[in-house]
Amino acid sequence: DAKTTQPPSMDCAEGRAANLPCNHSTISGNEYVYWYRQIHSQGPQYIIHGLKNNETNEMASLIITEDRKSSTLILPHATLRDTAVYYCIVSPNAGGTSYGKLTFGQGTILTVHP
Amino acid sequence: EADIYQTPRYLVIGTGKKITLECSQTMGHDKMYWYQQDPGMELHLIHYSYGVNSTEKGDLSSESTVSRIRTEHFPLTLESARPSHTSQYLCASSDHGAAIYNSPLHFGNGTRLTVT
Repeated sequence: DAKTTQPPSMDCAEGRAANLPCNHSTISGNEYVYWYRQIHSQGPQYIIHGLKNNETNEMASLIITEDRKSSTLILPHATLRDTAVYYCIVSPNAGGTSYGKLTFGQGTILTVHP
Repeated sequence: EADIYQTPRYLVIGTGKKITLECSQTMGHDKMYWYQQDPGMELHLIHYSYGVNSTEKGDLSSESTVSRIRTEHFPLTLESARPSHTSQYLCASSDHGAAIYNSPLHFGNGTRLTVT
């Protein structure tokens, strides 16, 4: 399964865009990129996922490079409530024994300050 | 809105007690999972199920056991709790429909277990 690398922490000013990078250079052709976040003492919350095209929903945008070796999660107007740990995860190969089992790493601690 | 529920939210119990952590989902999801997370640390998968009567061990060895008798219910049991079991236990579910390769996980808010 492809592993991901994320910076351990980032800061962002309230109202500004938060751009969270993720490196997944060993990703294979049918593996998806998922983003989750975990606010203190709560369960992780799904944000967005994509395969190779850029994706946008009400929470965020996901930009995946053409070679799929890295991606960026964009929170367009960060608020204090966006302070959380953000996890970038690559799904295991479909049909393999690891199918459906997402592996969470250390993630990026995003702190949004006033 | 359909959701995934875990009870209790907090549990403090003495060593040697048997405990069951409850997890239920109302979304009709086939796949369910248990993750364990120590404070400030990574989530580790300890059990998963792909449907009724299906249970598998996860990546992290655990002394707990699980059962899946009904689609919506996936309880986790510790026969004899020990202080080393102190942790947060998170339950999740995901769909097994047409888009099976990209169904996101839906998590409950977890049970924070303390064994004294």
